[in-house]
Amino acid sequence: EIVLTQSPGTLSLSPGERATLSCRASQSVSSSNLAWYQQKPGQAPRLVIYGASTRATGIPDRFSGSGSGTDFTLTISRLEPEDFAVYYCQTFGISPPLYSFGQGTMLEIK
Amino acid sequence: EVQLLESGGGLVQPGGSLRLSCAASGFTFNNYDMGWVRQAPGKGLECVSAISGGGGSTLYADSVKGRFTISRDNSKKTLFLQMNSLTVEDTALYYCAKRSDSSTRSFDYWGQGTLVTVSS
Repeated sequence: EIVLTQSPGTLSLSPGERATLSCRASQSVSSSNLAWYQQKPGQAPRLVIYGASTRATGIPDRFSGSGSGTDFTLTISRLEPEDFAVYYCQTFGISPPLYSFGQGTMLEIK
Repeated sequence: EVQLLESGGGLVQPGGSLRLSCAASGFTFNNYDMGWVRQAPGKGLECVSAISGGGGSTLYADSVKGRFTISRDNSKKTLFLQMNSLTVEDTALYYCAKRSDSSTRSFDYWGQGTLVTVSS
């Protein structure tokens, strides 16, 4: 089973700053199966990035994803107030076949 | 507009059963894999089960294998999760989610969730 470890657990930044969130996999994963989600309190998760680097529909271009193999990054270039939320990375393993999520990074206003 | 509407959650005693449903609209239901993702109070996300568009392929997390059964009725555009032998660890908000497309294993649309509480 693929284990995804996100860091940091909490990131405290101010609006306008750059945010860099990390996701490390316990084994190499296909970039096509690496996604990032944003979740705000009381809301369902929202797909932000899929295929490691493709923005989902309606996601502003200040969000970008990168990485390959075991190390992936979500970058928010200039934080807006609405960006503060919990972010999860997710992938799919073949053996066993299973969707796996990281434990999440809370992005909070400093 | 894609919509996913879960129902069937509630309070159940340990050892009991529940059947969750997810009514889908706004897309060609049988063309897409679907999944159930749960979130325990104050915790992260866990995909407990997923099913292929035709229903012939299913997968389960170890935590629910042998107790939960996923199924779908494509004629009614509805996804199901039969949950048996429930334990307090199954208490969570259960989301229905649609797979993005065949090129990637991500979920592009989510319902608002249905709450399952297992307690005596």
